[in-house]
Amino acid sequence: DARVTQTPRHKVTEMGQEVTMRCQPILGHNTVFWYRQTMMQGLELLAYFRNRAPLDDSGMPKDRFSAEMPDATLATLKIQPSEPRDSAVYFCASGFSFQGTFGTDTQYFGPGTRLTVL
Amino acid sequence: AQSVAQPEDQVNVAEGNPLTVKCTYSVSGNPYLFWYVQYPNRGLQFLLKYITGDNLVKGSYGFEAEFNKSQTSFHLKKPSALVSDSALYFCAVTSGGYQKVTFGIGTKLQVIP
Repeated sequence: DARVTQTPRHKVTEMGQEVTMRCQPILGHNTVFWYRQTMMQGLELLAYFRNRAPLDDSGMPKDRFSAEMPDATLATLKIQPSEPRDSAVYFCASGFSFQGTFGTDTQYFGPGTRLTVL
Repeated sequence: AQSVAQPEDQVNVAEGNPLTVKCTYSVSGNPYLFWYVQYPNRGLQFLLKYITGDNLVKGSYGFEAEFNKSQTSFHLKKPSALVSDSALYFCAVTSGGYQKVTFGIGTKLQVIP
């Protein structure tokens, strides 16, 4: 049963510290998405990649957030420096896209990383 | 800009009764519509999607959704609710291509035994 995995599942840190969240997409998938979920804002898309290339990161605060895919099996989301307002659940999702049908593909979500910044 | 509205924060239904979770959308061009479900402390799970074809889409766990172009709606339905259906339900829309998917704020479904 293929699943998206995310580590860590929970992270508590102090303001100003660097936070790195990792995601392993389902083997064979070529799209990766990062979302942030909060009670106030709901589910927000932060970034997405296709074939490891970033297609859109307009939802991400550029001054402190960065997203990368070092290889096809690993996606990372970093926050440096972290702030209390970054406290949220961060989800990674993956999917498979044929060229031109990107938006219609089913996304498979990981269990999320619950981040608390004190 | 595309958008999706889920007008009800919470829907309560008695076990065994039919349920409906509402969703309306706005998009330029043809819409592609999704429903996802989120159980507590879990990621979202895909339920069903409408791409083209029949307006009635059947999905997982006995759920179905009806695409209504004139009313720009895509309501989620199930003939007989189970307590285990209690969860947070998200409607989502995209115009396809390389457009990102926009999610609604979610509707909490509470099925009462």
